[in-house]
Amino acid sequence: EPEVTQTPSHQVTQMGQEVILRCVPISNHLYFYWYRQILGQKVEFLVSFYNNEISEKSEIFDDQFSVERPDGSNFTLKIRSTKLEDSAMYFCASGVGLDYEQYFGPGTRLTVT
Amino acid sequence: GIQVEQSPPDLILQEGANSTLRCNFSDSVNNLQWFHQNPWGQLINLFYIPSGTKQNGRLSATTVATERYSLLYISSSQTTDSGVYFCAVDLYNFNKFYFGSGTKLNVKP
Repeated sequence: EPEVTQTPSHQVTQMGQEVILRCVPISNHLYFYWYRQILGQKVEFLVSFYNNEISEKSEIFDDQFSVERPDGSNFTLKIRSTKLEDSAMYFCASGVGLDYEQYFGPGTRLTVT
Repeated sequence: GIQVEQSPPDLILQEGANSTLRCNFSDSVNNLQWFHQNPWGQLINLFYIPSGTKQNGRLSATTVATERYSLLYISSSQTTDSGVYFCAVDLYNFNKFYFGSGTKLNVKP
């Protein structure tokens, strides 16, 4: 069964550094998402992406965040200058269409020190 | 935004017991999914259930969209069922999930 994959599984970085989290969505999916979950809290929406552009973003998704689909398979989330409060689990998801089921990847645990 | 409330927040069961988890939401939704977050933090998709009833082994789910709630049933619970159960809802054309705060389940042997 096809699945969403994410790399790395765990990333440790120093405050102020740039990080790129990578995702490979399911191949025939058209909608892509990033969510995050701070330890002990609920999962929060960050951004959705369709047709090579952002379709929706949350208040959390400020100028330090960016997303990109650099080729036909990868979907990336970049955090330009990490802060301590960016420490969280980041989930990528994909779906075939608007309002359809979303398939989640296993997550990348980001630790900012 | 939409409010998603899950109950109970915590649940302790003896292995073999049955349980019902509830998810209430404040607006009409176009999509609803139940997830199990395992001890490693992974979100395991249990059901895509915007309406109706589905069953998968010992788990089943029912969504009554007109009354704005969904139920997740776990029968004959096992220790591997422990973890946090989340429901997430999506409004029509909003293209994003709103997650509840979860129900933390602990199944004791």
